[in-house]
Amino acid sequence: QVQLVESGGGVVQPGRSLRLSCAASGFSFSYYGMHWVRQAPGEGLEWVAVISFDGSNKYADSVKGRFIISRDNSKNTLYLQMNSLRTEDTAVYFCAKVSAGGGISFDYWGQGTLVTVSS
Amino acid sequence: EIVLTQSPATLSLSPGERAIFSCRSSQSVGSYLAWYQQRPGQAPRLLIYDASSRATGIPARFSGSGSGTDFTLTISSLEPEDFAIYYCQQFFTFGPGTRVDV
Repeated sequence: QVQLVESGGGVVQPGRSLRLSCAASGFSFSYYGMHWVRQAPGEGLEWVAVISFDGSNKYADSVKGRFIISRDNSKNTLYLQMNSLRTEDTAVYFCAKVSAGGGISFDYWGQGTLVTVSS
Repeated sequence: EIVLTQSPATLSLSPGERAIFSCRSSQSVGSYLAWYQQRPGQAPRLLIYDASSRATGIPARFSGSGSGTDFTLTISSLEPEDFAIYYCQQFFTFGPGTRVDV
């Protein structure tokens, strides 16, 4: 069965960096686009970044120039390198898989990893 | 940039009642709209994709309709586990969500 497991969250000071990982299993990882979505405490969902199967990517304006999404298909792993972190980046970060058959929806999500940016 | 608006913000209902959620897009998105359910402390779960197609394993009491700018999610008869927050989504945008309370 499809599994997405995020890791790498924690407490970090403003201005520092953190790298999140999302280990994928149960599907042909290299064939699918993957997204990061975040949720600040008590707030709604905010899309962060996408990387397609061929490596092209796109970012939300709020993270553009600071975050980098990447993937290692040999390790079935998705990454999010977060630089110059701000307090407003505090959130649970979910990785999500593009639905089978394409389209705009996400059919599987990880359980999330909490990033807290605080001095 | 597409903006999604959901109404109402909160629905106060009882088990067995019908729940109707609205999602409006600032510009036409065809049928490219999805709905998700999020229970407290859990990841979102895909309910509906392409406006009206139920995702794998989703019960028939969930249905979606609409196209263009106006979309609806309906739960025909609320079960206790349906009390959650529901989000619509189009590409890189999520709506603010509708909470269903007892």
